[in-house]
Amino acid sequence: QVQLVESGGGVVQPGTSLRLSCAASGFTFSGYSMHWVRQAPGKGLEWVAVISFDGNIKYYADSVKGRFTISRDDSKNTLGLQMNSLRADDTAVYFCARSSGYYKKGILDHWGQGTLVTVSS
Amino acid sequence: QSALTQPASVSGSPGQSITIPCTGTSSDIGAYDYVSWYQHHPGEAPKLMIFEVSKRPSRVSSRFSGSKSGNMASLTISGLQAGDDGDYYCTSYRDTNTVVFGGGTKLTVL
Repeated sequence: QVQLVESGGGVVQPGTSLRLSCAASGFTFSGYSMHWVRQAPGKGLEWVAVISFDGNIKYYADSVKGRFTISRDDSKNTLGLQMNSLRADDTAVYFCARSSGYYKKGILDHWGQGTLVTVSS
Repeated sequence: QSALTQPASVSGSPGQSITIPCTGTSSDIGAYDYVSWYQHHPGEAPKLMIFEVSKRPSRVSSRFSGSKSGNMASLTISGLQAGDDGDYYCTSYRDTNTVVFGGGTKLTVL
């Protein structure tokens, strides 16, 4: 069955960096676009970024553009999110999600359980 | 990036029907049939309930249905059950090459 397992979360200071990973299994990872979505404490879900199945297309929310980089390693079935210049308002649970079909359709049919990132001094 | 607009909460009794509206703009909901709905219970992974406005994944009950008119999409749940409670989010593709979520609606089954 499809499994997505996020890792890499933790407590970091403002201005520092952190890299999240999402290990995928149970499907042909290289055939799917992937998204990152986050949820700040007590808040709703917020879309963060998408990468196309071939890695050629990457788009970001304005709130993270220029600071976060989404990537994929199909040889390791892994999705990544490099987060730089972290701010307190980046504190959230970060979910990776598989996109079914064309990435614009935003059909997130499988999600991980999430990993918590806390940015605090 | 402003979010799509949803009511903060809705409620209904078992057996009743409820509708959750989701209002966007001509740059997102009004322009594309790329509206999805997700159910989320805190601490769990969100679950896809509706995609492309009105299509249901095979594992989702037919009690869940979606529609769209102009810049507004809606999720209707008929025959409410206790397990339907939780947070519901709408999403849409936006013409800035982004995906936008609604603020979320907490459904309480009385």
